Amino acid sequence: DQQVKQNSPSLSVQEGRISILNCDYTNSMFDYFLWYKKYPAEGPTFLISISSIKDKNEDGRFTVFLNKSAKHLSLHIVPSQPGDSAVYFCAATDYGGSQGNLIFGKGTKLSVKP
Amino acid sequence: DAGVTQSPTHLIKTRGQQVTLRCSPKSGHDTVSWYQQALGQGPQFIFQYYEEEERQRGNFPDRFSGHQFPNYSSELNVNALLLGDSALYLCASSALPTTTNEKLFFGSGTQLSVL
Repeated sequence: DQQVKQNSPSLSVQEGRISILNCDYTNSMFDYFLWYKKYPAEGPTFLISISSIKDKNEDGRFTVFLNKSAKHLSLHIVPSQPGDSAVYFCAATDYGGSQGNLIFGKGTKLSVKP
Repeated sequence: DAGVTQSPTHLIKTRGQQVTLRCSPKSGHDTVSWYQQALGQGPQFIFQYYEEEERQRGNFPDRFSGHQFPNYSSELNVNALLLGDSALYLCASSALPTTTNEKLFFGSGTQLSVL
């Protein structure tokens, strides 16, 4: 039973437009959420995070929104660039901001077309 | 500054065999976590080592074991390999207890194929 779900295996967006990647979770004990980006033949790299006490976190072109009541979070990339083409993983933990076991979704492959 | 290095990059084994995967953490890091990423799935936490001891463990059978050495490098051992063990094995390093998940650095992984 998946605790973190990314229901869209892939997403294609035109360069300059907004990319919206979605993630749902089932465990109400999760209190910290992270997004990772993964290029082929490389390990995942941290992108942005959000604590459950917030509903939005912004870092440059990347914004993560958290809706606790719906157990849903989304990653917005504006504007999208071809270099953003990668697999994006949503991850959650119940360790707060501290080190702990991360539960990952299956990932969404984003393709940004020039 | 070398990041997290894993060896080998690719490995082919047959069912029933045993395998050892190796990981050297990023300089300055003292904690190593191992994840399994099966095809089409997200990484799944296996265990974490700190101060040469297993600190946390995910839902993996005892066939999966690990070790951390005094220089903080780590090994993942899998016994009695099954076809379902075929996956990308990712090592991630960090520095406990002060750092957060944002400071978790992943290696490129070892692709294990079990035939």
